[in-house]
Amino acid sequence: SYELTQPPSVSVSPGQTARITCSGDALPKKYAYWYQQKSGQAPVLVIYEDNKRPSGIPERFSGSSSGTMATLTISGAQVEDEADYYCYSTDSSGNPPFGGGTKLTVL
Amino acid sequence: EVQLVESGGGLVKPGGSLRLSCSASGFTFSDAWMSWVRQAPGRGLEWVGRIKSITDGGTTDYAAPIKGRFTISRDDSKNTLYLQMNSLKTEDTAVYYCATISRGVWGQGTLVTVSS
Repeated sequence: SYELTQPPSVSVSPGQTARITCSGDALPKKYAYWYQQKSGQAPVLVIYEDNKRPSGIPERFSGSSSGTMATLTISGAQVEDEADYYCYSTDSSGNPPFGGGTKLTVL
Repeated sequence: EVQLVESGGGLVKPGGSLRLSCSASGFTFSDAWMSWVRQAPGRGLEWVGRIKSITDGGTTDYAAPIKGRFTISRDDSKNTLYLQMNSLKTEDTAVYYCATISRGVWGQGTLVTVSS
């Protein structure tokens, strides 16, 4: 079955660049989306269609995709960016499209 | 304001049924592909299933663990999405969200607890 694979955790110091990867065989043909979820809250879209940023999302969030890997980059990570991050990719066959999630620690 | 509001969650015994509703406002609901996503306590996001817009066929897709037990439907005249859950299991305990995932619109979630 189709899967999206993320590292379970990423840790950076404040001000450093955090990179979270998502790998999947269909990513060369499908867009990647990235969600941020803080404890007890609904997920928030931070990147859509590989590299587009919704209004209201800080410029330090960016996305890229190459081959079978998509990457969420947080340039100059801040303490308030500490959260779980999930990648998502549309899949018309009905396979689960969320990655397993990455816990970002900023300290 | 673009908004999704879920309702219908609660406590149900194993083997029981529950119907969740999701009321949409602030966007053209009939054009949207709508999904249900759940999150078990302490776990990640799990896609439950999706229904396409009627103009795109109105067809449904489901994740393997719930196929045959859950049914997604929509009433565009009421701007409402539904999730009928039958034969519930303890492992279905989760917060259930409705969402237009690629547009980034999510509800606040409703908790479903399956326990005897």
